[in-house]
Amino acid sequence: DTGVSQNPRHKITKRGQNVTFRCDPISEHNRLYWYRQTLGQGPEFLTYFQNEAQLEKSRLLSDRFSAERPKGSFSTLEIQRTEQGDSAMYLCASSSEQDNYGYTFGSGTRLTVV
Amino acid sequence: DQQVKQNSPSLSVQEGRISILNCDYTNSMFDYFLWYKKYPAEGPTFLISISSIKDKNEDGRFTVFLNKSAKHLSLHIVPSQPGDSAVYFCAASANGGTSYGKLTFGQGTILTVHP
Repeated sequence: DTGVSQNPRHKITKRGQNVTFRCDPISEHNRLYWYRQTLGQGPEFLTYFQNEAQLEKSRLLSDRFSAERPKGSFSTLEIQRTEQGDSAMYLCASSSEQDNYGYTFGSGTRLTVV
Repeated sequence: DQQVKQNSPSLSVQEGRISILNCDYTNSMFDYFLWYKKYPAEGPTFLISISSIKDKNEDGRFTVFLNKSAKHLSLHIVPSQPGDSAVYFCAASANGGTSYGKLTFGQGTILTVHP
């Protein structure tokens, strides 16, 4: 297992377009998290899943954002009708209930909305 | 509402000396605290954590101190090495003494260790 994988690494899109990001967690991890990080700030929580169930969503996750984790494996984060304010690094992380050593983060997807 | 604050945007230290990174929090429900390190173009990596029932946790060159009454924690790196140069994030959770679920991060401190 090579860790948490995120694709694409970079995405440039025009305002108003829809984008979708994918995250493949560490296979034995049942929890998956999405965070957003803007320049000069720490990661901000968006949502997290335990298996396929979405347990918590931030108020940052407007109705233009939707996340899924079908079958409790990979996850997708979709942003509809992108706005320039959506430009950020989108980070995915996973963890297991068997350890308490924090998340394992992926390298992120950098979104630029032009 | 910034519940976790790292008030020093940057810190510069000489190799071999001690690095002290500070973090303050406002939410008294936080009961588990973590430090992450981030290199450019990579995701944050877990460094060390501490439960609110402890006031110190040590792992090699890294020690985290927690002062609950002051709602303050610090990360000590001794001795500092050039490879420690990175952005350090403090994070906190209110999940029953675990890191599961939502973490609230500080803004980060850029540490530069000079040879």
